[in-house]
Amino acid sequence: GENVEQHPSTLSVQEGDSAVIKCTYSDSASNYFPWYKQELGKGPQLIIDIRSNVGEKKDQRIAVTLNKTAKHFSLHITETQPEDSAVYFCAASVLGLYSGGGADGLTFGKGTHLIIQP
Amino acid sequence: DTGVSQDPRHKITKRGQNVTFRCDPISEHNRLYWYRQTLGQGPEFLTYFQNEAQLEKSRLLSDRFSAERPKGSFSTLEIQRTEQGDSAMYLCASSLLGGGFPAEAFFGQGTRLTVV
Repeated sequence: GENVEQHPSTLSVQEGDSAVIKCTYSDSASNYFPWYKQELGKGPQLIIDIRSNVGEKKDQRIAVTLNKTAKHFSLHITETQPEDSAVYFCAASVLGLYSGGGADGLTFGKGTHLIIQP
Repeated sequence: DTGVSQDPRHKITKRGQNVTFRCDPISEHNRLYWYRQTLGQGPEFLTYFQNEAQLEKSRLLSDRFSAERPKGSFSTLEIQRTEQGDSAMYLCASSLLGGGFPAEAFFGQGTRLTVV
């Protein structure tokens, strides 16, 4: 099955600086890579995703890059703010036999605790 | 609120008891997923439904676990004869299949189970 590795486990940056979180995946069939932000006591919230037919996607201060050859993808947050402090999870999904294009189940990394220092 | 709703938010039970959780997905979402999350870990996939059909089960889903989605809307996850190792956050997510590419999954707030 799919295996997703995420680094670092903890990342502390000064407010205003950039943060980068990296993930690798094992299954070359994976074609959907979402990133989730989880705050204490809440469920994961989708912040950005990327499909395998594109190499980069940006949404305001957040960007994700994908290198299919190397099987890794990264989350970039620029101009970090205190409210960016949370646990971030990367995930990968493989097209299923029955899905007709749907995500059968996401395999998550272990998470990165991002701390924004004021 | 039109997001994914889970009930209860917290459940404390004695070892050996049965528990049942409920998930109400976003209206018209045809896919519903159950995940389990333990402290300091990412969510782990348990099972998912497309409408009322349960299409995939993880190896994590032992025979003490059963999930249903009888009318293709809300879903229940039951754990029989609970064990301390079942203590975790149980997350539900839903998505709308279509367009030829995986659709984004929206998560609920989760049900935190503590087995004592």
